[in-house]
Amino acid sequence: DVQLTQVPASLSASVGDRVTISCRASQNINHWLAWYQQKPGQVPKLLIYEASKLQPGVPSRFSGSGDGTEFTLTINRVQPDDFATYYCQQYFGFPCDFGQGTKLDIK
Amino acid sequence: EVKLIESGGGVVQPGESLTLSCSASGFNFNLVSMHWVRQAPGKGLEWVSLIDWSGGTRHYGHSVRGRFTTTRDNTKNSVFLHMANLRVNDTAIYFCAKVRRSGSFDVWGHGVPVTVSS
Repeated sequence: DVQLTQVPASLSASVGDRVTISCRASQNINHWLAWYQQKPGQVPKLLIYEASKLQPGVPSRFSGSGDGTEFTLTINRVQPDDFATYYCQQYFGFPCDFGQGTKLDIK
Repeated sequence: EVKLIESGGGVVQPGESLTLSCSASGFNFNLVSMHWVRQAPGKGLEWVSLIDWSGGTRHYGHSVRGRFTTTRDNTKNSVFLHMANLRVNDTAIYFCAKVRRSGSFDVWGHGVPVTVSS
């Protein structure tokens, strides 16, 4: 099984900050990684697929990078609407598990 | 508009069974793989199962393998999760999700709660 290690588990930021979240896979998953945003009481929302491709409708301040085992989600100039929990997910193989999540809150 | 609507959740006792349904609309359901994902109260997302477009390929997470079965009826644009021998730690919100072409989950249902309690 592919294990995903997502760090940090939580972080605080101010509006306008640049934020990065990391996701490490236990084996090479090429670019088969997605990032999701979930707000309390809401359904997860796909942000990034295939490691770096922006889902239509997602603001361009979100970007993804990485390949193989190391991946990063970056939010440039964090906005109030971005305070949420973020999850990475691999879909290279089964089980296609999620990372543990990163809660982004307001500093 | 692409929509997924889950139903069938409820409160059951440990050891009992329950079947969830997910009704799809707004896309070619019979061409798309579907997943179930769950989220226990206050916890992260846990992948549960996949069924491919034909129903011929299915995969399960370790914690549900042997107890849960996913099926689909393409004539009714629906996917199902049959849950047997339920445990207290199966308590969660269960989401169905549609696969984007490459495998990520681009559309999610609103989720349905399942509570397993004695």
